[in-house]
Amino acid sequence: AAGVIQSPRHLIKEKRETATLKCYPIPRHDTVYWYQQGPGQDPQFLISFYEKMQSDKGSIPDRFSAQQFSDYHSELNMSSLELGDSALYFCASSAPRAGGSGANVLTFGAGSRLTVL
Amino acid sequence: GDSVTQMEGPVTLSEEAFLTINCTYTATGYPSLFWYVQYPGEGLQLLLKATKADDKGSNKGFEATYRKETTSFHLEKGSVQVSDSAVYFCALSSGGSYIPTFGRGTSLIVHP
Repeated sequence: AAGVIQSPRHLIKEKRETATLKCYPIPRHDTVYWYQQGPGQDPQFLISFYEKMQSDKGSIPDRFSAQQFSDYHSELNMSSLELGDSALYFCASSAPRAGGSGANVLTFGAGSRLTVL
Repeated sequence: GDSVTQMEGPVTLSEEAFLTINCTYTATGYPSLFWYVQYPGEGLQLLLKATKADDKGSNKGFEATYRKETTSFHLEKGSVQVSDSAVYFCALSSGGSYIPTFGRGTSLIVHP
């Protein structure tokens, strides 16, 4: 079965550079989520998109932006990178919930590891 | 706000030992509770879930019971295998946005 695909898997950047991470959700999933997990930290919710519109915003820095495209893939753009941005970035997607109720189950990609030097 | 607290790892066990990973939560309303597992080099995968008090989620020999009175959702397995070595995340979602909040994860290492 198709899973959530993230690219690149590993990325090394210098401080103040820009990075872009890509995410391809499971077909027919209507919501995409981005999480950031620093070393030894919880995955922190950054932002989500429902049907290509931003739906929820978490602890995403102003230097970061994201969007979802017409083919439902999403990109996370990170500018003016700082050492503290080094982390594992997860993308996840979820299927429509019948009647908008029930447990919201996310399917995650394998993550993109960003290292800022 | 919502939060999840997990026991710190790593948890190191011998094969066939009994496993408990503690998870407690703080949330408004009545959250849904989840355990996700992350095997090396892979993304998080849903292991089991429970959506209301006293529900028991189970999968692959793992179980967790939604305890509202103690706000807990402890993960248990009667006999672990080497292949269970992974990082386990407790999570909850509540409210209208249903955005899951995760704990820090507990690493489990099972030796032959």
